[in-house]
Amino acid sequence: EDQVTQSPEALRLQEGESSSLNCSYTVSGLRGLFWYRQDPGKGPEFLFTLYSAGEEKEKERLKATLTKKESFLHITAPKPEDSATYLCAVRADYGQNFVFGPGTRLSVLP
Amino acid sequence: DAGVIQSPRHEVTEMGQEVTLRCKPISGHNSLFWYRQTMMRGLELLIYFNNNVPIDDSGMPEDRFSAKMPNASFSTLKIQPSEPRDSAVYFCASSWESYEQYFGPGTRLTVT
Repeated sequence: EDQVTQSPEALRLQEGESSSLNCSYTVSGLRGLFWYRQDPGKGPEFLFTLYSAGEEKEKERLKATLTKKESFLHITAPKPEDSATYLCAVRADYGQNFVFGPGTRLSVLP
Repeated sequence: DAGVIQSPRHEVTEMGQEVTLRCKPISGHNSLFWYRQTMMRGLELLIYFNNNVPIDDSGMPEDRFSAKMPNASFSTLKIQPSEPRDSAVYFCASSWESYEQYFGPGTRLTVT
């Protein structure tokens, strides 16, 4: 069965304090790994897609990396506006449905 | 593009009533997904359509739930009869083939 776990469950950072979020997955053939950001009361917002081990994507203060078993979302010098829940999802090489992880709730304090 | 559109944004109903949630996907997308999100269970896939055809409805909790996609620009999720445990935020998302999904703003359902 395809599974996605994320750690930590919650993370509090001071503004400017860099850190990483982890997404571990087991899937029978990875078609893609996706990162989303979700703000309270809103739908998940697409951030990145990673397709193969070794791939990296960057957007402003965020950088996503992928290995054969996990992905990291690195946050460099975060700002309070980066506070949100970050969700990871995988798509297997069969079908089109995603399997979402439980998310990491990030709080960045000024 | 306006993005995925959902209505209503909030719905409060009494147990036993019928509830219909609506979704308009992004124009040009050929896959549509219905999710339910709760604090306890996170984001759960209920059903998804490809080219207006239901492909996988294994996430639909029970026969009280049904979904339709009569054309490429409209889908409904119906709950009849509704129960308090159906209270959650329901999201619709759309995508082109196997690529990233784009989510709507969600419908917050409260069943009393």
